[in-house]
This record gives sequence, structure tokens and C-alpha cells, in this order.
Amino acid sequence: GAGVSQTPSNKVTEKGKYVELRCDPISGHTALYWYRQSLGQGPEFLIYFQGTGAADDSGLPNDRFFAVRPEGSVSTLKIQRTERGDSAVYLCASSLIAPLNRDASYEQYFGPGTRLTVT
Amino acid sequence: GQQLNQSPQSMFIQEGEDVSMNCTSSSIFNTWLWYKQDPGEGPVLLIALYKAGELTSNGRLTAQFGITRKDSFLNISASIPSDVGIYFCAGRKRNSGNTPLVFGKGTRLSVIA
Repeated sequence: GAGVSQTPSNKVTEKGKYVELRCDPISGHTALYWYRQSLGQGPEFLIYFQGTGAADDSGLPNDRFFAVRPEGSVSTLKIQRTERGDSAVYLCASSLIAPLNRDASYEQYFGPGTRLTVT
Repeated sequence: GQQLNQSPQSMFIQEGEDVSMNCTSSSIFNTWLWYKQDPGEGPVLLIALYKAGELTSNGRLTAQFGITRKDSFLNISASIPSDVGIYFCAGRKRNSGNTPLVFGKGTRLSVIA
């Protein structure tokens, strides 16, 4: 079946502009995560949705970053007044809600990412 | 933010050789995962470990969950060119629920044919 899709694959924007990054999770996956991956680093957690609500947004670096998931499926990560330091690959992942005794089928499946470059 | 400590940072090996890489943490994790990332792609799950001491294989890959719950290793036997990529360990503090993952910085593997 279809995996996690993210659009656009690449985005170049000028410092100070507003950007939106979209994630379309695997059908039926209630949990959705956003991570940011800087060059040479592993992914770092930003925000996690369970259904329509943000269950954990502790990874958002500041109030310029915001994410929504209004219908519990597609999610949009919004960045206001972009800065050069925001340049990174933004990864989205989705998963089923894990039971107490989980197995690998409940783990996070990642999309290809959106490479954001702020000039 | 917190990241796991992965080593080595990079490896250059001959095709056919075995590979070993590991991941450590100063705190306990109750789930350890190993992902592989190819250029321009997202990480792909290779192996998931849920119990201390657990040893799990997936083809030529074998991973172990350390008994202290503060480390894990990944072995790749008889490497082939398509093993090239960046391998990430990831941990989760709790087994239950959908808490986010903490990742290492990755081990970049290059295979010389």
C-alpha cells in the first residue's frame, strides 16, 4: 500500500517568509509525528498528533513553528518568519496506536522528507 | 535535544566483510530500534527490540538490546554494496504508548566492491 507522502520534496524560501509543509500519513494510522533532521544529525522530534490533537509539542523550537491536523489525517507544519537556521530536512512519520505488548508493526514509518532551504 | 551516542561515525569496509556498530545512552530506554536511511529518503525500520537481552535477526542483520537497557548493537554479516547508507539507532523510554523516538547521529557505511 501507499506509504507516507510529503510535499513539496524541496522548498527554497527567503529569510522572513512563511512556509507550509504537508504530510499525508499511511491510511488508518492515527498517530503522526514531525521530526527535523539537520545535516549530519539524526532526526529530532518536533510534535506528535494522536488523531486531531497535538499529544506532545515539546519539541517545537519556538512559537514560529506550528502544526495542525484538522481532520485526523493530513498534517501541515507551518513555519513563520523563517530563519536560515530553519534549513533542514523535515520528516513526517505515522503509526498505529500501540497496544501494551507492541511489535514492529506498530512502529513509526517515515516519509521521504521535505528539504527546506532558507536563503 | 537528547541524542543517543552512536559509534563509529563512519566505516569503510570491503564487500563481504562483517560490520558492527553500537549505540549507548546514559539513561535507560525500554525500546531500541535500528533504521537505515538512503540519500533523499526517510529512515526505514530494520529491527525492533523490546526486551533487555533480546537478540533479533532480520536476514543478514542481527541486533541486541543490552541487558543494562542503556545500549544496543547492530551487526551486518557478509556486507554487499546495497548496504551502503546511514544507520540510525533510536530509543523510546516507554514500551507502551506512542511516545516520540530519540535518535543517534548515525553511522555512515561505505562498502568497497
